[in-house]
Amino acid sequence: GAVVSQHPSWVICKSGTSVKIECRSLDFQATTMFWYRQFPKQSLMLMATSNEGSKATYEQGVEKDKFLINHASLTLSTLTVTSAHPEDSSFYICSARDRRLGAFFGQGTRLTVV
Amino acid sequence: QKEVEQNSGPLSVPEGAIASLNCTYSDRGSQSFFWYRQYSGKSPELIMSIYSNGDKEDGRFTAQLNKASQYVSLLIRDSQPSDSATYLCAGSGSWGKLQFGAGTQVVVTP
Repeated sequence: GAVVSQHPSWVICKSGTSVKIECRSLDFQATTMFWYRQFPKQSLMLMATSNEGSKATYEQGVEKDKFLINHASLTLSTLTVTSAHPEDSSFYICSARDRRLGAFFGQGTRLTVV
Repeated sequence: QKEVEQNSGPLSVPEGAIASLNCTYSDRGSQSFFWYRQYSGKSPELIMSIYSNGDKEDGRFTAQLNKASQYVSLLIRDSQPSDSATYLCAGSGSWGKLQFGAGTQVVVTP
């Protein structure tokens, strides 16, 4: 299957700081990537759809000014959690879809805000 | 009503037995369906995709799709302790989005 690389795999940051998470499709081009958040024992929650060269589309209830998404190339999307607070602590996962093979996930980033 | 529904489980399966997981969906426009396996603390891993009515087999896994009944299933034969995980069913939606079910937890007991 296709490979999606996400970095970092975990990060601890202080409340009020910003954290950037990178998502790369290594062996295919992804015009669209997706960002999810998952709280313990819950399912994936789609946060936003990242479109290469255009603005991201956010799901209802997700603050676009807090979760900044940039999709600068066909293989890279970034999610920046700005002014992070403890309630933002979660498992963030990106996904890129290969039209033929399906959607593949990055390894996930566990964010802990202290 | 959620667009993709799954029984949350846990589904307890003896080692060597068949695990049967079910999923129903409401969006008749969905054309592609996927099963993902997610171990605790890890991201989901694609294990099966199915696009046409009928069965699709890959190793110990068999996916079944019935679009008329809006039903997708996954069978895991010869279940192993390493199959213990949460299995997520997903259907394709608009703009390439996937609609995920809440997942079914499978526990394979030795």
